Amino acid sequence: DAGVIQSPRHEVTEMGQEVTLRCKPISGHDYLFWYRQTMMRGLELLIYFNNNVPIDDSGMPEDRFSAKMPNASFSTLKIQPSEPRDSAVYFCASSYGQGYGYTFGSGTRLTVV
Amino acid sequence: DAKTTQPNSMESNEEEPVHLPCNHSTISGTDYIHWYRQLPSQGPEYVIHGLTSNVNNRMASLAIAEDRKSSTLILHRATLRDAAVYYCIPSGYALNFGKGTSLLVTP
Repeated sequence: DAGVIQSPRHEVTEMGQEVTLRCKPISGHDYLFWYRQTMMRGLELLIYFNNNVPIDDSGMPEDRFSAKMPNASFSTLKIQPSEPRDSAVYFCASSYGQGYGYTFGSGTRLTVV
Repeated sequence: DAKTTQPNSMESNEEEPVHLPCNHSTISGTDYIHWYRQLPSQGPEYVIHGLTSNVNNRMASLAIAEDRKSSTLILHRATLRDAAVYYCIPSGYALNFGKGTSLLVTP
């Protein structure tokens, strides 16, 4: 099993540009989570899906952020337009659900200049 | 979400046991107690989780108080590779990370 796969590993973009982060969860996992980590705010849950359906998006900071899960093997987190304060490491994780461990990807380091 | 209290930092000597405490007095009856760690420049890594009974795996042991208001992660023999931030997370479906305990392991 290759684990949770995120791409790209690093992204540098200019303010105002659209950014798309990608995640492939572990096959068979029903839950997918997006997190953001900064020094100031630590690890924040942005949104999570169950069986491809968004369950809780209360952590999404504002309308510039959107996430989709078109099928069980793929999810995207999009920021449009990006701002310097969006610079962070974004992690994706997947799980079988409550009572099971979560597996995190290696993260995408986003820098908005 | 249950509020957790962990020491900001702890220090251990290599090859000695480490007991990392966590208080979660407002935990709900259905929340599992998860422990994750994050090594420098890496994503969080699952360590162990449990509901009511103590749990053991190859990485660590988890001791859960009878009233479930606290738990202790036990690393039986700390190594330099165990230096990380350890997070205790009472959780239903989604993990909400706090500040965790930064563990320093010295040779």
